[in-house]
Amino acid sequence: AQSVTQLDSQVPVFEEAPVELRCNYSSSVSVYLFWYVQYPNQGLQLLLKYLSGSTLVKGINGFEAEFNKSQTSFHLRKPSVHISDTAEYFCAVNGGSNYKLTFGKGTLLTVNP
Amino acid sequence: NAGVTQTPKFQVLKTGQSMTLQCAQDMNHNSMYWYRQDPGMGLRLIYYSASEGTTDKGEVPNGYNVSRLNKREFSLRLESAAPSQTSVYFCASNLGTVYNEQFFGPGTRLTVL
Repeated sequence: AQSVTQLDSQVPVFEEAPVELRCNYSSSVSVYLFWYVQYPNQGLQLLLKYLSGSTLVKGINGFEAEFNKSQTSFHLRKPSVHISDTAEYFCAVNGGSNYKLTFGKGTLLTVNP
Repeated sequence: NAGVTQTPKFQVLKTGQSMTLQCAQDMNHNSMYWYRQDPGMGLRLIYYSASEGTTDKGEVPNGYNVSRLNKREFSLRLESAAPSQTSVYFCASNLGTVYNEQFFGPGTRLTVL
């Protein structure tokens, strides 16, 4: 069985500050990890994914994430956020199933001026 | 290339009424999925179709049925709607391997009174 825990349900930050959204996973097999973003009243879109290789993964809009196998984490970071980054962010894991992603419950990032 | 489309965008039902949510993708994807999103719960898989002609239950299938009409289309039916089915419903698709992210539609916001 696989599971995902997003440690913060809400993260408020000021514009141009750095941010880290935390994600921990559990799985008995090798994992493939994803971060999705959902802007208000929209569907989810992929930010980045880790499949193999380098543990530092770069995505769209200046986001990056680091896969840490020993700590079973896949935290999302951005060095300087913008108002437009206000959205809900979901971490997801595929533990080897061709068809199923398990999502975390989401972290609402609010960027204040 | 429209990606994943869903109809309708909004729907209000009375308890006991039935309706079908429609989903179509134009990316030649093999697998399609239906999720529901509720506040604080993340996304939960209702049903999925690994390939044309197959469907399987996800995490929360009770009260729903699905039809994979062809490779492009995957519908979700509520036979007798209940207030507990008030939610935002997302359809997604992908090529059907562990490496491939899922692409999401814009969602259907359903209210059952």
